[in-house]
Amino acid sequence: QKEVEQDPGPLSVPEGAIVSLNCTYSNSAFQYFMWYRQYSRKGPELLMYTYSSGNKEDGRFTAQVDKSSKYISLFIRDSQPSDSATYLCAMSGGMGGTSYGKLTFGQGTILTVHP
Amino acid sequence: DAGVTQSPTHLIKTRGQQVTLRCSPKSGHDTVSWYQQALGQGPQFIFQYYEEEERQRGNFPDRFSGHQFPNYSSELNVNALLLGDSALYLCASSLVGQGGYEQYFGPGTRLTVT
Repeated sequence: QKEVEQDPGPLSVPEGAIVSLNCTYSNSAFQYFMWYRQYSRKGPELLMYTYSSGNKEDGRFTAQVDKSSKYISLFIRDSQPSDSATYLCAMSGGMGGTSYGKLTFGQGTILTVHP
Repeated sequence: DAGVTQSPTHLIKTRGQQVTLRCSPKSGHDTVSWYQQALGQGPQFIFQYYEEEERQRGNFPDRFSGHQFPNYSSELNVNALLLGDSALYLCASSLVGQGGYEQYFGPGTRLTVT
């Protein structure tokens, strides 16, 4: 079983829709949770990061972490065709742990927003 | 503000050969991590360098080695290349004082082994 599970999709939505992307994980040591966006043949771009449980909002993006359920989400409001990309969740452990400083990624979800 | 840069962009090698990939971190960053991303998969952590030493290592064989220079730039070396080493190799930089989790990636080097 992988430490981080992410549905690869693909996910296709109309422009303006609310998109929900999710990951589950098994390692209780994870304390930092990141979302990256990766366009085709490019490196991942950091969208948001969250420490421990809770919500964080940045413009059209909202990240949620539920450590009790080992479940994280990214919501995209008013989705645009330019949001079409692969979205990767990533996690890291706290200081002193074996997973500190290294990111463990999900497989990535391919998202297409059509006009 | 210069982001993470990597060279070369693409590389084609023959099985059994050796390859060196290079990375310059984002300005102000002191830690460099390397990842391997196979097609359709998320990046896999190879190792991380800080203060010119390997600080963390993932599940990769000794054929994968690295180096960090005093200016924080880094190299990834892969010996005895296998067909399965074909992938996008990503470099990420971060600031150790921020926990190392806020990592910024370069565009990657696409390695093809024939």
